[in-house]
Amino acid sequence: DQQVKQNSPSLSVQEGRISILNCDYTNSMFDYFLWYKKYPAEGPTFLISISSIKDKNEDGRFTVFLNKSAKHLSLHIVPSQPGDSAVYFCAASVGGTSYGKLTFGQGTILTVHP
Amino acid sequence: NAGVTQTPKFQVLKTGQSMTLQCAQDMNHEYMSWYRQDPGMGLRLIHYSVGAGITDQGEVPNGYNVSRSTTEDFPLRLLSAAPSQTSVYFCASRRLRTGDSNQPQHFGDGTRLSIL
Repeated sequence: DQQVKQNSPSLSVQEGRISILNCDYTNSMFDYFLWYKKYPAEGPTFLISISSIKDKNEDGRFTVFLNKSAKHLSLHIVPSQPGDSAVYFCAASVGGTSYGKLTFGQGTILTVHP
Repeated sequence: NAGVTQTPKFQVLKTGQSMTLQCAQDMNHEYMSWYRQDPGMGLRLIHYSVGAGITDQGEVPNGYNVSRSTTEDFPLRLLSAAPSQTSVYFCASRRLRTGDSNQPQHFGDGTRLSIL
């Protein structure tokens, strides 16, 4: 039972345009959401996060939107750069005594063309 | 600042062999965890620890053992390797305060394990 789903295995975008990566979840207990970026032969690196009490969080070119009623979040990258080409993982956790154990989506491969 | 260090980076085993994947962090993080990454399945939690002497199972613990004798180290043991354990293994750590899930985990660069 996949509690966090990224239904697009890949996304191709032109440099300078917007990249939108999507993520859906089924567990209503999730209260914290993160995006990780992964380059080949490296570990995932934290990109941006959002708490369930917010619906938007921005950090430079990266913005995460959360729609709790739809159990959906998205990551917007504007403008996209070739260096953004990587695998992006959406992750979710439940607070409290769960210690923030992460449940990951399958990942989306983003390719930004020059 | 090394962060999270995993060794080895690559390993090939035969079915039935045992081995230990090493993970060390120098950030004095209380929480450490092991994930495996398989194609089309994202990362899945194997085991985790909230401090020295305390470990617990994650989503896919079968076939793996862990121990946490120090804050810095969290080795993952495969007692009898099976082809289904062919995967990329990631260790991660984070600062932990009870009830605080808002600290991102820091990941090592992974161990690519093939079992023939």
